[in-house]
Amino acid sequence: EPEVTQTPSHQVTQMGQEVILRCVPISNHLYFYWYRQILGQKVEFLVSFYNNEISEKSEIFDDQFSVERPDGSNFTLKIRSTKLEDSAMYFCASIGQGNGYTFGSGTRLTVV
Amino acid sequence: KNEVEQSPQNLTAQEGEFITINCSYSVGISALHWLQQHPGGGIVSLFMLSSGKKKHGRLIATINIQEKHSSLHITASHPRDSAVYICAVIYGGTSYGKLTFGQGTILTVHP
Repeated sequence: EPEVTQTPSHQVTQMGQEVILRCVPISNHLYFYWYRQILGQKVEFLVSFYNNEISEKSEIFDDQFSVERPDGSNFTLKIRSTKLEDSAMYFCASIGQGNGYTFGSGTRLTVV
Repeated sequence: KNEVEQSPQNLTAQEGEFITINCSYSVGISALHWLQQHPGGGIVSLFMLSSGKKKHGRLIATINIQEKHSSLHITASHPRDSAVYICAVIYGGTSYGKLTFGQGTILTVHP
């Protein structure tokens, strides 16, 4: 069964550093999403991406964050100048025609 | 603000019991998802519903659009069903929109 692949599975970074979280969505999917889950809290929407541009973003998704689809397959989330409160599990997801959501296994980001 | 409410927050059952988890939402939706999250953190989609009822193995999901309510049932529960079950909806008219998540129901099934 097709999968959404996320790397790395766990990233530890110093506060103030930049991190890039990577995702390879299912190849024929058209809509891509980033969500995050702070420990013990609900999953929250960050951003959606369609046709090589952002289609919607949440209040959380400020200038610190950016997304790219640099080569037509990878889908990346960049977090500049990380803060302690950015520590969370970050999930990539994609949807194809007539399909439900497929989630990646997540990247656990720890900012120290 | 559109919310998704789940109940109960925690559920403990003995192996073999019939389990029901409930979800309610506030306004019209295009789709509702039931998701399963295991201790490692990964999220798996169980069902996507826009009306009626779906069944997969021992899992049954129903939705009542008029009452803005959905239920997830697990028949003959097993310890391997222990996980967090999350209801999430897409508000608005398109099934490709963002998900709004409930807080999850922590299910523990004892042998």
